Amino acid sequence: GGIITQTPKFLIGQEGQKLTLKCQQNFNHDTMYWYRQDSGKGLRLIYYSITENDLQKGDLSEGYDASREKKSSFSLTVTSAQKNEMAVFLCASSIWGQGPSNERLFFGHGTKLSVL
Amino acid sequence: SQWGEENLQALSIQEGEDVTMNCSYKTYTTVVQWYRQKSGKGPAQLILIRSNEREKRSGRLRATLDTSSQSSSLSITGTLATDTAVYFCATAGSFNKLTFGAGTRLAVCP
Repeated sequence: GGIITQTPKFLIGQEGQKLTLKCQQNFNHDTMYWYRQDSGKGLRLIYYSITENDLQKGDLSEGYDASREKKSSFSLTVTSAQKNEMAVFLCASSIWGQGPSNERLFFGHGTKLSVL
Repeated sequence: SQWGEENLQALSIQEGEDVTMNCSYKTYTTVVQWYRQKSGKGPAQLILIRSNEREKRSGRLRATLDTSSQSSSLSITGTLATDTAVYFCATAGSFNKLTFGAGTRLAVCP
């Protein structure tokens, strides 16, 4: 089995600050994802990457940057934190090429963001 | 939006009862996946059901898919307190990636 590690677990930022969230996986999966989870809402796709150095925008990419430095890691940057923003950011990975009909996402435990 | 229900639903039941959770979606999908998220953890896949399947079972879990009404259900028989979690359905959305509904928060009281 493998594991997805997200750091930090909790992140408190100031309005306007640039904040970076990190994700590591040891499944050796090709595809990695960043989702945003707001309280009481579904998960929304921010960015995904199908291989090292690849980046694809999701439904919610505005206000975020991402970087896939190597196959095992995928980072997300909030370019300018919004006052009173509160959400959980979930990183996931899966084997490339399967598509939703076969795909299984493995998630990390999330980074909880609060902006003062 | 892909979803018929935009906000988290909540259910509270006693241990041992059976429960069914529903989700409806607006756009055709070839697959519905159900995930469970326990407090403080990431979601974990429970069941995947394809459009050519009407029902899929896994242990105490049973998923159904009705493509004509664009709805899916997840049933749990003989619930345990450890089934307490948020349950999400997910379909193939834009970018051919999974899109997740708001979910159902299930509380199973011992």
